[in-house]
Amino acid sequence: DAEITQSPRHKITETGRQVTLACHQTWNHNNMFWYRQDLGHGLRLIHYSYGVQDTNKGEVSDGYSVSRSNTEDLPLTLESAASSQTSVYFCATQYLGGGELFFGEGSRLTVL
Amino acid sequence: GEDVEQSLFLSVREGDSSVINCTYTDSSSTYLYWYKQEPGAGLQLLTYIFSNMDMKQDQRLTVLLNKKDKHLSLRIADTQTGDSAIYFCAESSNDYKLSFGAGTTVTVRA
Repeated sequence: DAEITQSPRHKITETGRQVTLACHQTWNHNNMFWYRQDLGHGLRLIHYSYGVQDTNKGEVSDGYSVSRSNTEDLPLTLESAASSQTSVYFCATQYLGGGELFFGEGSRLTVL
Repeated sequence: GEDVEQSLFLSVREGDSSVINCTYTDSSSTYLYWYKQEPGAGLQLLTYIFSNMDMKQDQRLTVLLNKKDKHLSLRIADTQTGDSAIYFCAESSNDYKLSFGAGTTVTVRA
């Protein structure tokens, strides 16, 4: 079965460190998204990609970056982690023509 | 996001119907979705409705869309303990991105 794998599932880091959250999908979907989930805010879009070498900023992109070198992976990098980036991060994929999102299980990040 | 709003909590007795409401602002929305999130898990699609429809029924789920008022609702008939979860309303327009509400935590009591 096709799936979306996020790693690590849980991570604790310190302020100022660089952190990379991995997202790997076997759906062969062109579109990939990163969201963060915070209480009272729901899911907010960080970055998204419509294909290889394509990346776009979402509504809360400051302090985050992504790169898309192949169809399967969209790693999310926090250049210098801040306590405000403590959150649960979800990767999602979508068919080329839009429609429903398929979600990974999430990565819980704590920045101390 | 701010473009999609829903109430944060709903408590319902087992066997009763649950109704979760959502409002959105984007008049160009093409699809509207309901997702379910169980503890420690990702979101799973429950159902969706195309913007030119006003109702969709799928077993215990009924979705109503009032496009004029930009109001979407999800009714769960005969609510069970397994329905306890967070329910997210989401909308998408032509750019394929989905905007989500803050989520409604549904608690089913015996």
